[in-house]
Amino acid sequence: QKEVEQDPGPLSVPEGAIVSLNCTYSNSAFQYFMWYRQYSRKGPELLMYTYSSGNKEDGRFTAQVDKSSKYISLFIRDSQPSDSATYLCAPGGTSYGKLTFGQGTILTVHP
Amino acid sequence: GAVVSQHPSWVICKSGTSVKIECRSLDFQATTMFWYRQFPKQSLMLMATSNEGSKATYEQGVEKDKFLINHASLTLSTLTVTSAHPEDSSFYICSASRATGYEQYFGPGTRLTVT
Repeated sequence: QKEVEQDPGPLSVPEGAIVSLNCTYSNSAFQYFMWYRQYSRKGPELLMYTYSSGNKEDGRFTAQVDKSSKYISLFIRDSQPSDSATYLCAPGGTSYGKLTFGQGTILTVHP
Repeated sequence: GAVVSQHPSWVICKSGTSVKIECRSLDFQATTMFWYRQFPKQSLMLMATSNEGSKATYEQGVEKDKFLINHASLTLSTLTVTSAHPEDSSFYICSASRATGYEQYFGPGTRLTVT
């Protein structure tokens, strides 16, 4: 079993839709949780990070962590074609500074 | 803030030669830098972690004599692929983190093609 499971998709939604991206993890030692966005042939861009359970909102993005069920979510409201990318969840905390990346979900937002 | 650059962005080299990739944190001091490798349509694979002034810590299965990492300053880390072979062709990405947090900020990546 992988430490971090993420549905690779692909996920295709119309512009303006609410997108839900999810990961599950098995290691209860994870203490902090990152979401990255990666465009094709580019380095990942940090979108959101949180160090605790609960919700964190930043503009159209909301990150949600439920440590009891080991479940991580990223919600995108009013999705735009420019949101089309691969989204990677990345929990960490088992070894100093290291992140464990999910497989990534490919998202396409069509006009 | 938190900008990381990589150079070169794309390099082609002949089999048997060595290639050096630079990773720089432009507007912050990076106490820790990471090197990843990514194959097409796959996630990031951590190769090694380096702290300024210390030897790098390599992940299991990564040949430290082949992938030489130097973290000489708080803003610069280099990855040298020695005696490159076609199977080393890949997308190499570095990231950097500050002393004050666990967030990693990534560079734009370097595409290596070995012919």
